[in-house]
Amino acid sequence: GAVVSQHPSWVICKSGTSVKIECRSLDFQATTMFWYRQFPKQSLMLMATSNEGSKATYEQGVEKDKFLINHASLTLSTLTVTSAHPEDSSFYICSARGGRAGYEQFFGPGTRLTVL
Amino acid sequence: QKEVEQDPGPLSVPEGAIVSLNCTYSNSAFQYFMWYRQYSRKGPELLMYTYSSGNKEDGRFTAQVDKSSKYISLFIRDSQPSDSATYLCAMRNNAGNMLTFGGGTRLMVKP
Repeated sequence: GAVVSQHPSWVICKSGTSVKIECRSLDFQATTMFWYRQFPKQSLMLMATSNEGSKATYEQGVEKDKFLINHASLTLSTLTVTSAHPEDSSFYICSARGGRAGYEQFFGPGTRLTVL
Repeated sequence: QKEVEQDPGPLSVPEGAIVSLNCTYSNSAFQYFMWYRQYSRKGPELLMYTYSSGNKEDGRFTAQVDKSSKYISLFIRDSQPSDSATYLCAMRNNAGNMLTFGGGTRLMVKP
């Protein structure tokens, strides 16, 4: 299957700082990328959807000014958590759609964010 | 009622057993169906994907889609302890971008 990488895999930061998470599709071009959030023992919660070169579409209840998404190319999307607070601590997972069939959706390994 | 329902488990089976994981859904527009496996603190891994109805087999895994019943299944033959994980079903329609996930079933295969 296709490979999606995320960096960093784990980050600890102080309250009030901003954190950037990178998501890359390594061996395919992703027409669409997605950002999810997952709390312990819960399913994935979609935060936003982005297409290369256009603004992201955010799900209801997700603050677009707090979670900045940039989809600069067909292989790279970034999520910046601005002015992070402890309640932003979570597991953030990106996903990219592409692959041979075109509709397969592949997930990155996730980034664990801990805000102190 | 959720659009996609999945029994959370945990489902505990002995090594070598056949495992059946299921999801039901309410949206008849769903056309793409996927199964993901997620180990603790890792991202979901795509196991199987199917378009519309029918069966698909890949090694020890078989995915079935019954659109008339709005029911999908994933079968795991000769289950191994390494299969212990949470299994998520996901689906979407032709036009939509967004995958709708089930809540996940936690599977434990005991040696």
